[in-house]
Amino acid sequence: DSGVTQTPKHLITATGQRVTLRCSPRSGDLSVYWYQQSLDQGLQFLIHYYNGEERAKGNILERFSAQQFPDLHSELNLSSLELGDSALYFCASSATGTTAETQYFGPGTRLLVL
Amino acid sequence: AQSVAQPEDQVNVAEGNPLTVKCTYSVSGNPYLFWYVQYPNRGLQFLLKYITGDNLVKGSYGFEAEFNKSQTSFHLKKPSALVSDSALYFCAVSRSNDYKLSFGAGTTVTVRA
Repeated sequence: DSGVTQTPKHLITATGQRVTLRCSPRSGDLSVYWYQQSLDQGLQFLIHYYNGEERAKGNILERFSAQQFPDLHSELNLSSLELGDSALYFCASSATGTTAETQYFGPGTRLLVL
Repeated sequence: AQSVAQPEDQVNVAEGNPLTVKCTYSVSGNPYLFWYVQYPNRGLQFLLKYITGDNLVKGSYGFEAEFNKSQTSFHLKKPSALVSDSALYFCAVSRSNDYKLSFGAGTTVTVRA
């Protein structure tokens, strides 16, 4: 168990809908990262937050947004969902967000868009 | 830009035999290299990383990896594989001033009894 928690574990929704994925980092970690794992794209970095502020963006669609709250938990919001958004979404955390740090991954949220 | 290649989709070995999972990388500047393992319906578990120093890195569960700068490789090895090592293995790279991890496509390891 990495200490990173994600809810919900599974999510089934319809095209056009909006969902929110939640992540709680390991105790004491200030950085949160979001990744998407799909069969065709593999594991892709979406976005990184450090202590409440966005630090880096990857291949994140405009329909997706994220934030990190004062208690350091993070939420990833996915809107106007399409079939292709079906994937496993991982959250990871690290202590301070320096580039050599180990990122510890949560169990993921499996999203199915029908 | 940075990227990782895992040239083998699948690796099959018998229990007790050596296990090698290959990884090559492309990055400008000095690489930071990581190996993670993913078991079915689980998240990624950190195995080991190379940042600087000794080219041979030892990690969890008896795994080790060797950084080879001239060949731009970071192959994962285990001297004696276990059936419980059967899983999906990912190599990842980052670099100074780049916060994201760039992952390879993954290698499925199957260890037969």
